Amino acid sequence: AQTVTQSQPEMSVQEAETVTLSCTYDTSESNYYLFWYKQPPSRQMILVIRQEAYKQQNATENRFSVNFQKAAKSFSLKISDSQLGDTAMYFCAFMKRLKGDDKIIFGKGTRLHILP
Amino acid sequence: DTAVSQTPKYLVTQMGNDKSIKCEQNLGHDTMYWYKQDSKKFLKIMFSYNNKELIINETVPNRFSPKSPDKAHLNLHINSLELGDSAVYFCASGASPPNEQFFGPGTRLTVL
Repeated sequence: AQTVTQSQPEMSVQEAETVTLSCTYDTSESNYYLFWYKQPPSRQMILVIRQEAYKQQNATENRFSVNFQKAAKSFSLKISDSQLGDTAMYFCAFMKRLKGDDKIIFGKGTRLHILP
Repeated sequence: DTAVSQTPKYLVTQMGNDKSIKCEQNLGHDTMYWYKQDSKKFLKIMFSYNNKELIINETVPNRFSPKSPDKAHLNLHINSLELGDSAVYFCASGASPPNEQFFGPGTRLTVL
């Protein structure tokens, strides 16, 4: 069974700083996706970034980038120039690229506070 | 233009009642899902449907019955509500082959 582990329950950083959220996962699959979702106080689940396991290049979306280490099963999220609006719960997540078994498995989340 | 919508957003009810949550997606996706987020913010899959057919059922009590009248809708009916059912329920949809899922705004269910 797949598992996703986020070892940092809560983090705080000053506005404009860079912060890295850690995530490790366990799977025997070779074809899968990894995601970071953001959940602000509005509780909406917002996809921040997606990584396809077969792609070696790390995904980036503006201020958000990942460090994907497939052999180490590590998938960290880096937020550059953090903004107050980045304050939210962040969930690391795994999904098999397999129709019929494509449930998302979430980590327990990291609560991120951006301080003014 | 809402991609995945859920109604109601909030639901407060008494123990023992029966309630339904509706979900609709206008993305043309074949697969829809229900996830439950507990009080500790942990999210877990409950069900998935593909073209009205149940695909995933993650050991959810029989009191929970999803119903998919067509591939754009997946409703969740809950019988004999219990205190432990209090949670936020998220509907999601995804394309085939799977690449990502789009989530609805969530329904906060409170059972008193």
